[in-house]
Amino acid sequence: DAKTTQPTSMDCAEGRAANLPCNHSTISGNEYVYWYRQIHSQGPQYIIHGLKNNETNEMASLIITEDRKSSTLILPHATLRDTAVYYCIVRVAGSGGGADGLTFGKGTHLIIQP
Amino acid sequence: EAGVVQSPRYKIIEKKQPVAFWCNPISGHNTLYWYLQNLGQGPELLIRYENEEAVDDSQLPKDRFSAERLKGVDSTLKIQPAELGDSAVYLCASSSTGESSPLHFGNGTRLTVT
Repeated sequence: DAKTTQPTSMDCAEGRAANLPCNHSTISGNEYVYWYRQIHSQGPQYIIHGLKNNETNEMASLIITEDRKSSTLILPHATLRDTAVYYCIVRVAGSGGGADGLTFGKGTHLIIQP
Repeated sequence: EAGVVQSPRYKIIEKKQPVAFWCNPISGHNTLYWYLQNLGQGPELLIRYENEEAVDDSQLPKDRFSAERLKGVDSTLKIQPAELGDSAVYLCASSSTGESSPLHFGNGTRLTVT
């Protein structure tokens, strides 16, 4: 079973910041938080990941609470093309070779409204 | 950088026929994954390769599914014989060596079994 809890769906107005919450209350010290999104008929797209500190890249920001039990993905200026299913995933860090695969839940269907 | 390439993009076959899917990972990525995604669900891991070795095939239905990655680069996933319930999207992903390296996915092969 997935180790995260996300709302089933969310709406956001175009041009506004989209804030997607994720609960991972049972996260372990060596587990990272990853965010992916999947647009219809495409494979999942990597967005961002983090361990403890907040992270930012050209796509989004990831805010992780101090106790690491929850996180928020922020899309600063949502566009219609950001409409997708967003997956929050926790994953144990690998050692040596590649880490285990990702365990996907049902994700949040984010709908950007014009 | 070229992404993960999968072919074919779509495949329609009759039940009991064999089918094969091909994946070319991102250059330099030692870890390769095959996932299955049913409609409305998140992807589920089938098998993970480290170079040419299958290190996790616990979720692969071995009575009809097989996979290979002979030279540690390209990979093929085969189903023989296909059943109606195998209709789904088959996704390939790859990642580099590193404890938190993200997976990068191809756009998948959509299989329809009639």
